[in-house]
Amino acid sequence: QKEVEQDPGPLSVPEGAIVSLNCTYSNSAFQYFMWYRQYSRKGPELLMYTYSSGNKEDGRFTAQVDKSSKYISLFIRDSQPSDSATYLCAMSKETSGSRLTFGEGTQLTVNP
Amino acid sequence: DGGITQSPKYLFRKEGQNVTLSCEQNLNHDAMYWYRQDPGQGLRLIYYSQIVNDFQKGDIAEGYSVSREKKESFPLTVTSAQKNPTAFYLCATSTSSGNTIYFGEGSWLTVV
Repeated sequence: QKEVEQDPGPLSVPEGAIVSLNCTYSNSAFQYFMWYRQYSRKGPELLMYTYSSGNKEDGRFTAQVDKSSKYISLFIRDSQPSDSATYLCAMSKETSGSRLTFGEGTQLTVNP
Repeated sequence: DGGITQSPKYLFRKEGQNVTLSCEQNLNHDAMYWYRQDPGQGLRLIYYSQIVNDFQKGDIAEGYSVSREKKESFPLTVTSAQKNPTAFYLCATSTSSGNTIYFGEGSWLTVV
């Protein structure tokens, strides 16, 4: 069983929709949680970084962590065609030195 | 222009040949990483280095080698011992105290 599970999709939504992307994990040692966005044939770029349980908002993006359920989410409000990409969740057990474990990635398409 | 530079972007290799992928950074980050990305498998860690002249194996180091002679550079050699080398290779960096990593644009390696 993988340490981090992420539905690969693909997920297709109309422009303006609210998108929910999710990951579950099995190891309670994970303390730091990240979401990366990866456009086709490009390197991933960091979108959100969270440590504690709860919500963190940045513009149209909200990251949610529920450590008791071992579940993290990324919400995208008012989705745009430019949000079409693969979204990767990642998590780390360590306070430094960043040895990350990644989910498989969810491919999202926002249709105009 | 600051950041992480990977070269070449696209590379074709004949079976049985070694190939070296370059990764250079001017972010003054201490730690550098090599990941491999395959469809349906997410990102997997090959090697990482937290300081010059030192590096550690990741989860899939077999058939790969690295060196870290300078802070700015972390080249990856894909040897002929790597049985399935066709993949997208990503170099990344982080600060020594940071939990997040930043990626280059990637190198596509195809074995023909």
